[in-house]
Amino acid sequence: DTTVKQNPRYKLARVGKPVNLICSQTMNHDTMYWYQKKPNQAPKLLLFYYDKILNREADTFEKFQSSRPNNSFCSLYIGSAGLEYSAMYLCASSRGQISNERLFFGHGTKLSVL
Amino acid sequence: QQKVQQSPESLIVPEGGMASLNCTSSDRNVDYFWWYRQHSGKSPKMLMSIFSNGEKEEGRFTVHLNKASLHTSLHIRDSQPSDSALYLCAAGANYGNEKITFGAGTKLTIKP
Repeated sequence: DTTVKQNPRYKLARVGKPVNLICSQTMNHDTMYWYQKKPNQAPKLLLFYYDKILNREADTFEKFQSSRPNNSFCSLYIGSAGLEYSAMYLCASSRGQISNERLFFGHGTKLSVL
Repeated sequence: QQKVQQSPESLIVPEGGMASLNCTSSDRNVDYFWWYRQHSGKSPKMLMSIFSNGEKEEGRFTVHLNKASLHTSLHIRDSQPSDSALYLCAAGANYGNEKITFGAGTKLTIKP
């Protein structure tokens, strides 16, 4: 099974409210990633977990939190959603923490902030 | 910060024709390139990878890499309507804190 699952598929949030997105994988991959994708833009890496170690990108450090309670699950948390958070959020996983490993993606969660 | 530039942004090719997509990285530390394909409403899936200079062929798909210019290209011969998708180029560099950077993609449409 090479499936990465994301829930929910669509999420509507109000400005200022928190948002929690969930991702799971059953491939026993060491690394799980969260990307943000807006129309006509490149997927932007927000953060990744290698095992239990969280790495957050410098320019989004304060905007997103994450937790990984076990190898299979990873969440993305937005404490106070703003209009600029409207995007597709893609979760991915890979073996190891080296950049020559392919990524396996979920279908994504489309977040709309109103 | 590394940038990955893809061209063209969109491409229309007649069925049976050749589609050529381009990708260049701005980071001289890049060692690995991938091409991912995302059909509408689906998750991106890796199509091909290339890590060494030269050419790699898998069926109707051929990928080239020139490490000196940090340029890779994907060529699809005998294009089929099912090849219509967003093609994302990704590059990986070893910084010690390794990560993979994506381009914005080329939207390919194959016209029957």
